Amino acid sequence: GAGVSQSPSNKVTEKGKDVELRCDPISGHTALYWYRQSLGQGLEFLIYFQGNSAPDKSGLPSDRFSAERTGGSVSTLTIQRTQQEDSAVYLCASSLGVGDTDTQYFGPGTRLTVL
Amino acid sequence: AQSVSQHNHHVILSEAASLELGCNYSYGGTVNLFWYVQYPGQHLQLLLKYFSGDPLVKGIKGFEAEFIKSKFSFNLRKPSVQWSDTAEYFCASFANGYNKLIFGAGTRLAVHP
Repeated sequence: GAGVSQSPSNKVTEKGKDVELRCDPISGHTALYWYRQSLGQGLEFLIYFQGNSAPDKSGLPSDRFSAERTGGSVSTLTIQRTQQEDSAVYLCASSLGVGDTDTQYFGPGTRLTVL
Repeated sequence: AQSVSQHNHHVILSEAASLELGCNYSYGGTVNLFWYVQYPGQHLQLLLKYFSGDPLVKGIKGFEAEFIKSKFSFNLRKPSVQWSDTAEYFCASFANGYNKLIFGAGTRLAVHP
């Protein structure tokens, strides 16, 4: 079956511009996660959606970062007024959302470069 | 704060050598431990996971890991590596009470033919 897909695969933007990154989770997965992979910080959790519950935004690094999940499926991560330190690979993962034994499956990521 | 530590950042081996990558976690409650692998140019893939039961966990591609509660460790092993095992390996754990993953810094493994 299809895995987690993300678009675009690469995004180059200028400092100060806004960007939107998209994630399509595996069909039937109720939980969706965003992570960031950067040279300096490794893999970091950003935000977590579970069904219709309020998202866990505890990993978002600043108020320039936001995410939404429409219809319990597709998610968009938005970064406003991008900065050079936002350059990273943004990873999306999804899971069945069945609790403590859940397994997350990752997408290929979006490589964001802020010039 | 909860953390996951990987002590080996770069490992270089010859084919057929044995592999052991160290991982230590800080949380002492319910453990949910994972090893993920990222091959060059590919996305993160799950190698194996431990939630409960037999502390020796078998994963894909001949990998295994042993959960040792007294040492807070979950080391990854493979008896004989291949060139195709060249990749970056990440140990991870669920954060306390949440399903968000906390990752170690990763270990880059290079296997020479």
